[in-house]
Amino acid sequence: EDQVTQSPEALRLQEGESSSLNCSYTVSGLRGLFWYRQDPGKGPEFLFTLYSAGEEKEKERLKATLTKKESFLHITAPKPEDSATYLCAVLENRDDKIIFGKGTRLHILP
Amino acid sequence: EPEVTQTPSHQVTQMGQEVILRCVPISNHLYFYWYRQILGQKVEFLVSFYNNEISEKSEIFDDQFSVERPDGSNFTLKIRSTKLEDSAMYFCASTRDTQETQYFGPGTRLLVL
Repeated sequence: EDQVTQSPEALRLQEGESSSLNCSYTVSGLRGLFWYRQDPGKGPEFLFTLYSAGEEKEKERLKATLTKKESFLHITAPKPEDSATYLCAVLENRDDKIIFGKGTRLHILP
Repeated sequence: EPEVTQTPSHQVTQMGQEVILRCVPISNHLYFYWYRQILGQKVEFLVSFYNNEISEKSEIFDDQFSVERPDGSNFTLKIRSTKLEDSAMYFCASTRDTQETQYFGPGTRLLVL
């Protein structure tokens, strides 16, 4: 059973069309939740870290929020350069490894 | 801005050969990691390393794999006898503290023929 589930698997939006990506997690104790952006053939690029329910972080057109069971990555008025795979990952209390979800492939059409 | 670097960017090898993947973590970081990503699949944890020893490893990290910090800057992953299924992107990551964000390198694409 996956501990980190992301939805949708893929999303196509028109430029300027806002939307949200979901990450739900089932871990025994959350130490941190991370959002990364990954371009094809590249390493994950850090976006946000969230530590506790109710926390929000923002950067340009992206805003990440966290509840006790899920996180959302809201993208406002996206541009084609926002096209990428967005990865959610969690760090549990019991160890130091990050557990990744499968990602959401986002494609922004001009 | 400091970043994690990895070499080589691509490596092609024959099955059964040994490969060494190299990483230079961010300089003031103390915790180091290797992950892999098979094409089209999710990023998977392999091993974590702190204070010159393995702190945790996954079931993927069997006796064919080893890690080393040979000097003050490099962190290496060795695969002793490569198999076809070892073909993947291998990412190195580092962090200053286990509570903080892990920063990833650009990856080494390994192809085993």
